Parts: sequence; structure tokens; C-alpha cells
Amino acid sequence: NAGVTQTPKFQVLKTGQSMTLQCAQDMNHEYMSWYRQDPGMGLRLIHYSVGAGITDQGEVPNGYNVSRSTTEDFPLRLLSAAPSQTSVYFCASKGHPIGELFFGEGSRLTVL
Amino acid sequence: EDKVVQSPLSLVVHEGDTVTLNCSYEVTNFRSLLWYKQEKKAPTFLFMLTSSGIEKKSGRLSSILDKKELFSILNITATQTGDSAVYLCAVLYGNNRLAFGKGNQVVVIP
Repeated sequence: NAGVTQTPKFQVLKTGQSMTLQCAQDMNHEYMSWYRQDPGMGLRLIHYSVGAGITDQGEVPNGYNVSRSTTEDFPLRLLSAAPSQTSVYFCASKGHPIGELFFGEGSRLTVL
Repeated sequence: EDKVVQSPLSLVVHEGDTVTLNCSYEVTNFRSLLWYKQEKKAPTFLFMLTSSGIEKKSGRLSSILDKKELFSILNITATQTGDSAVYLCAVLYGNNRLAFGKGNQVVVIP
């Protein structure tokens, strides 16, 4: 089982560039989410989705866009990257409303 | 303000010691509390707790929830070097919102 797949695993951007982090899951999970993890800050929720066509903001949404056109995919877009967005990004999904969250392997993004 | 607070943030123990990690929370419409272990990569699931006073156990790890006092503890007995990791506590609340604490970094030395 592939589970939650994130690409790319590593990316270096220059300030002002745009990019999309891809996330796909093959477990038919309705709930998908994006987190960023910074040293000493834990995991912070960026955006989440409870189903195709439905998205909502987490605690740190500024500078990021998401869309959910299918159950399987939940891409995260950086329209104009800033050094403050240097971080490790995790995509996660779950099938049951109060169930376990399944994580992807993470994407390390560096913005110069 | 932080909704989930973990303590201690960091500790070093010797192999064979017992470790107790604390997670306190303050949220509206609590639904569940989850513990994860994170080594180099993605967090891996340990426990999910929804009811007070019922201990969850897996090998040398155990966890319990107190919904009246709003906290959970994670115990690791007879620690091994492979237990070295960051332990993350997360609380699911409200309309599918999940908040994580900053983590407990545990280092087990031989």
C-alpha cells in the first residue's frame, strides 16, 4: 500500500518563485491536511479538507493556497515563496472522523 | 496561545529508566487525543485516547487520559536506545481541527 505520497522530497527555491507540493493518498480518506514543522514549533496546521471541493484554513494559512478537486489529491501551492516558508512540510490524511492521522514522508523546502 | 502543552520538552535518560511524558490541553469540544513517535521522518502513530481512565498499552509503552483535568501521560518503561525520538501529542477538537504540542524530545543513552 502506498498510503500518503508526497512529492518532491526536497526543493530549493529562490524568493518570489512559485511551486506546488503534491500529496496523494490511496486510502479513500475524506480528510486531508498540510502541516509545517519548524524546530521548536511542533507541527502547525496550514490548511485542511474534509472532502472534495471543501477546504478550510488552519492556524498558519498565509502564503499558501490549496484546492481539493478529487478525493485522492490535495496539492499545496506557494505563489511567491519567502524565506520564512523554509520548513519541512507534511501531508496527512484520515478516514475516520476521530481516527488516526496517516502521514506522508515529508517535503523539505528551502527558500533562499 | 498554545492549545496543547507538552512537558518536559527535552530529557536525557539511561537505558532501563522509566520515562513519563505529559500532555495538557485546553480546547473546546474535545474529541480525541493522539500520541505519535517521530524519529527521522514522518510521525508514526502510537495511541488514540477518547475516554478517561482507560489505559492503552503496547509493549513497554502505555498511555492514559484524564478528561476532567485535561491531560494525558505517556509512559515508557525499561527504556532502550531505540526509544530515542520526539513524542508528539495531538488533540482533535471542534470541527475536525487537530492541534499538536511542541513535542517531548527523549534521548536514551546506553
